[in-house]
Amino acid sequence: GEDVEQSLFLSVREGDSSVINCTYTDSSSTYLYWYKQEPGAGLQLLTYIFSNMDMKQDQRLTVLLNKKDKHLSLRIADTQTGDSAIYFCAVPSGGSYIPTFGRGTSLIVHP
Amino acid sequence: DAGVTQSPTHLIKTRGQQVTLRCSPKSGHDTVSWYQQALGQGPQFIFQYYEEEERQRGNFPDRFSGHQFPNYSSELNVNALLLGDSALYLCASSLTWTGSAKNIQYFGAGTRLSVL
Repeated sequence: GEDVEQSLFLSVREGDSSVINCTYTDSSSTYLYWYKQEPGAGLQLLTYIFSNMDMKQDQRLTVLLNKKDKHLSLRIADTQTGDSAIYFCAVPSGGSYIPTFGRGTSLIVHP
Repeated sequence: DAGVTQSPTHLIKTRGQQVTLRCSPKSGHDTVSWYQQALGQGPQFIFQYYEEEERQRGNFPDRFSGHQFPNYSSELNVNALLLGDSALYLCASSLTWTGSAKNIQYFGAGTRLSVL
């Protein structure tokens, strides 16, 4: 299987919460990342969490890290149509600090 | 404060040709990494430059080479282009190549390469 896995699509209604999940096989002792990519654009760093933390909150974003289950999630509260994009989980592994990216989750927000 | 800038934004080449892509890192950053993003995929790491040397390399053939200049800007060169090299090429910069908060990578908008 893939080193970093994400579901490919998520559809939510405007105003609801979105939860994007990511599982990985291995992580280095460093930061794990969430990036956002809008159509035709580069990657925007959304947030990150250090590997010894369980949770990080940043305005509408909440990151949860379960090291035992090797599971990382991103919750977006009060999802807006402008949040429609592809979200990438990125996890460094094997003692390297270079992140391995998942295939991305396409978030579609319906009015 | 300028972010990571890449040029050109789009490029069309034919099989067998050579291409050079350019990247200027975010102000204050000294480390540059290059990634290839094929359609529908996540970015794949090509290599990373620090102090004008290639420090780490992903699983890419020798046709992919790079350079870093004293001002920390970088070039990615691809020789003998194949149809499969068509992708978005992303440059990322960070404060340092070691594992710390300073290693957080910030990406540019990318160069879209089409090989015909």
